[in-house]
Order: sequence, then C-alpha cells, then structure tokens
Amino acid sequence: DSGVTQTPKHLITATGQRVTLRCSPRSGDLSVYWYQQSLDQGLQFLIQYYNGEERAKGNILERFSAQQFPDLHSELNLSSLELGDSALYFCASSVPGGSTEAFFGQGTRLTVV
Amino acid sequence: QQPVQSPQAVILREGEDAVINCSSSKALYSVHWYRQKHGEAPVFLMILLKGGEQKGHDKISASFNEKKQQSSLYLTASQLSYSGTYFCGTEEQGGSEKLVFGKGTKLTVNP
Repeated sequence: DSGVTQTPKHLITATGQRVTLRCSPRSGDLSVYWYQQSLDQGLQFLIQYYNGEERAKGNILERFSAQQFPDLHSELNLSSLELGDSALYFCASSVPGGSTEAFFGQGTRLTVV
Repeated sequence: QQPVQSPQAVILREGEDAVINCSSSKALYSVHWYRQKHGEAPVFLMILLKGGEQKGHDKISASFNEKKQQSSLYLTASQLSYSGTYFCGTEEQGGSEKLVFGKGTKLTVNP
C-alpha cells in the first residue's frame, strides 16, 4: 500500500459525459501528479500541483482540468468524454523538495462507451 | 520532453542479464526508475541525481551520465519477479520537479 488513495477504482460512462477522479496523497506529501496510461502506452504526464498551486502542465487536453484543495487532495475533471479517453488514470504524490520518490495510487480505470 | 527508452521489449531466461537505456535531449537534473507489473501501479526502484552517481540494490543497479543525458538500468542474474514494464522518468534542470516518463520497456523473464 503506497498510502495514495484514488477513487473510484473503476468508472464506466458514456461519451459526452463528465467525470471527476479523486486522489488523496500520502500524509505530508505536498506534490500531486496526474498521469494517463492508455493500453500498452507509457505514463503520459498530465499535470502537477504543489501545495494547492499548479506547478507544471503536460499533455493535458482543454477538456480536462484539475485542482488541489487546501486539504491537499486533488481532483481531475474530465468533460465531453470521448472513446479515446478510456484509460487508466494514476495519481502520484511526493514529499516537498523535488527529486524524491513518487508514490502511485492504484489508479482509476475509466471506460467510455 | 519525453525521454526515449530502448529497447521496447526484452525476453530473458532466468539468470540472464539485461540493460535498459533511457536518453533525453534536455539537460537533466535527475532520472527515476520504476517498475510496473500488469494491472498494478508503478513502483519506485531508484533515483539518480546529476553527478554520474551509480546506485543499486540487490541485483538491480543504474547509472546516469549527465554529459550525455543518458541513464542505464542494469538487471543481473534476472529472476522471474523482475518481469514487468520498466519506466524511466526524468526531471529537467531548472524545472518544476515535473516528472516525465518514457514509453517503457517490457521485460519478460522466462524459467
């Protein structure tokens, strides 16, 4: 158990819908990262938050948005869903200071039908 | 900038050695290595900071050549449990701690 909690574990929704994925980082970790992993693909970096502030952006679509709340949990919002958005979405957290181990949650498997 | 990993896949027999490479076109501050088993979350193996430091534990070690912006992961006397997909992640110098991963190298160890 990495200490990072992601909910829900599985999500099935229809095209055009909107969903919210939730991530609770390890206690004390200020950085939260979101990654998308499609079938047989690598981990695509989406976005990073540090203590409530957006720190870095990757290949995140305009239909996607995220935020980190004062209690440090983070949410990834995916809207106008398309079939191609079906993937495993991972959240990871790390302690402040950078260049430290990132702990991954078990992921949320999103299926868009 | 996504690092490039090679090879894409490796098949070994138990006890054989393997090397996985990771390279970047950007000046790097650190290289991270993770292993992911099918259906599971990636698990941390090690971090290498700029300075050419070599690290390792058990029979898995890694090196980082900061001049070439390359890192290599060495797996010696492979075990069945080494099977999985290995990802290198890189942080660029002067960056925001953004950790970008390569596409992964699938390692299969057979009896």
